[in-house]
Amino acid sequence: GENVEQHPSTLSVQEGDSAVIKCTYSDSASNYFPWYKQELGKGPQLIIDIRSNVGEKKDQRIAVTLNKTAKHFSLHITETQPEDSAVYFCASIIQGAQKLVFGQGTRLTINP
Amino acid sequence: DAGITQSPRHKVTETGTPVTLRCHQTENHRYMYWYRQDPGHGLRLIHYSYGVKDTDKGEVSDGYSVSRSKTEDFLLTLESATSSQTSVYFCATRQGGTEAFFGQGTRLTVV
Repeated sequence: GENVEQHPSTLSVQEGDSAVIKCTYSDSASNYFPWYKQELGKGPQLIIDIRSNVGEKKDQRIAVTLNKTAKHFSLHITETQPEDSAVYFCASIIQGAQKLVFGQGTRLTINP
Repeated sequence: DAGITQSPRHKVTETGTPVTLRCHQTENHRYMYWYRQDPGHGLRLIHYSYGVKDTDKGEVSDGYSVSRSKTEDFLLTLESATSSQTSVYFCATRQGGTEAFFGQGTRLTVV
């Protein structure tokens, strides 16, 4: 079955710097790659997603890139702010199966 | 926010007792998921449903069963709870091709 690996497990950056979180997936049939943010005591919420026919997508300070050949996708956060501190999850869905599989999560801490 | 309600929000139960967690949605989403969240493991899929009475196993389904008799309700049952099932459980729903929406979670402690 599909396996999603996420790195790093923890990431600490200075406010204003950039943060990058990387994921790899195993099944080439995966075609949808969302990223979720989880704040303390809450359920995860979607922040950005990308489909397999697109290489990059941006939304203000957040961007996601996808390399289908290498089966890699990454989350980029620029000009980080204290409110970006949270746990981030990548995920993938295999076309047709609708099985939503998550990575292990990255705890991002923004230091003032 | 999508209308997803998990109940109970907190539960403490004894080893060997049956436990049922409920996920209720008001969005008429086709797909529903149960995950458990543990430190170092992220969100692991237990079971999911792709329609009424249609369910399939996830990566950590042993010791769990599910039922979906109505579109809006997805039940997760621990037939005989064990300490290894102490965790935070999240329900999620989605309509094909769109984002998943999560409930607030259920913190289950098995003593």
